Amino acid sequence: DTAVSQTPKYLVTQMGNDKSIKCEQNLGHDTMYWYKQDSKKFLKIMFSYNNKELIINETVPNRFSPKSPDKAHLNLHINSLELGDSAVYFCASSQAFSFTSTDTQYFGPGTRLTVL
Amino acid sequence: KQEVTQIPAALSVPEGENLVLNCSFTDSAIYNLQWFRQDPGKGLTSLLLIQSSQREQTSGRLNASLDKSSGRSTLYIAASQPGDSATYLCAVRPETGANNLFFGTGTRLTVIP
Repeated sequence: DTAVSQTPKYLVTQMGNDKSIKCEQNLGHDTMYWYKQDSKKFLKIMFSYNNKELIINETVPNRFSPKSPDKAHLNLHINSLELGDSAVYFCASSQAFSFTSTDTQYFGPGTRLTVL
Repeated sequence: KQEVTQIPAALSVPEGENLVLNCSFTDSAIYNLQWFRQDPGKGLTSLLLIQSSQREQTSGRLNASLDKSSGRSTLYIAASQPGDSATYLCAVRPETGANNLFFGTGTRLTVIP
């Protein structure tokens, strides 16, 4: 079974559209994250969620909004897509937000978003 | 602000060679450091995690070291194999605050059969 899954794997859309990327984890983790990997392969955190509360909100445009229907899901909604949003988006999860000795983040396979 | 740098950006070695990947970070106030592997079109796989109080971690042919005070970590791969070809990323977690990872730009490794 896949620990952290994302859908879709590829997403091609026109500028100005609204799209969503789904993420699910079956590890029973408390915290989930979204990362953006740009064309230079630099991975940067966007959001993290713990118990339905937004913990980190980096300086990302408010066109991006994470939504968590339950602890196992953290979906990424993007409004009014722009060319610069083209990237690979990774979802991840970890056991807890607080510091533990085994707080490895487990990553999904990524979603390649292309905005035309 | 934490900045993580990895050198070299790309590395090609013949099969069987031992190799070292380097990672440096600007803020030594870290909680832990992780090495990840990323295969083309796939997600990240955690290889080794070193807590700030540790000096090294080993897993099979992989050995990661950490010198927190100097802001450096190395990933040593022994007897490299073609299956080791991937991009290797290091990431640091800050000492305080949330479980936020700062990633380097990665080293793309190619092991030539």
